[in-house]
Amino acid sequence: AQSVAQPEDQVNVAEGNPLTVKCTYSVSGNPYLFWYVQYPNRGLQFLLKYITGDNLVKGSYGFEAEFNKSQTSFHLKKPSALVSDSALYFCAVRDTKTGFQKLVFGTGTRLLVSP
Amino acid sequence: NAGVTQTPKFRILKIGQSMTLQCTQDMNHNYMYWYRQDPGMGLKLIYYSVGAGITDKGEVPNGYNVSRSTTEDFPLRLELAAPSQTSVYFCASSYSIDPGGTDTQYFGPGTRLTVL
Repeated sequence: AQSVAQPEDQVNVAEGNPLTVKCTYSVSGNPYLFWYVQYPNRGLQFLLKYITGDNLVKGSYGFEAEFNKSQTSFHLKKPSALVSDSALYFCAVRDTKTGFQKLVFGTGTRLLVSP
Repeated sequence: NAGVTQTPKFRILKIGQSMTLQCTQDMNHNYMYWYRQDPGMGLKLIYYSVGAGITDKGEVPNGYNVSRSTTEDFPLRLELAAPSQTSVYFCASSYSIDPGGTDTQYFGPGTRLTVL
């Protein structure tokens, strides 16, 4: 079965510093990977996705993610964190078992950016 | 263009009561989904639909029912509410011209349900 793991429940970073939120995946076949962000009392918002092509994917709000096939990872990164980036981040993989667009989500990582 | 809207935002139910969570999207998406989000558990898929009149079970369908009579609407019905159904419920939609599509899912703001 397809799955993703987010090994950190929380990541703390100071404003202006680079941030990394980790995600590893386990899939059979080619992985289709996604990052979503959830702000307090809001639904999930799409940040970026990897389907094929360049290993470095650029997304919304200055975020990017690096796909690493050998390490089965898809870490989310940003060169300079903002306080407003504080939120809950979810990694997800498309479940190819049935062929439909079902996403399997990780448990989420809370990012706290301090001023 | 409102995207995906959900009503109500909050609801408290007593054990055994029933209710319907409403979801509407105005993007003409063919795929729609219901998820529940429990603390520390990520999102679990309850039901999904690939078009009007077509629905299927996700990972955690027990205690829920859905229908999809129109492209826009995808209501989730809770029968005989139980404390285990206390959660935040999210509706989402996406568009794809084939089952293997990888299109982005758009989420509604959620419904926070408490069963006492």
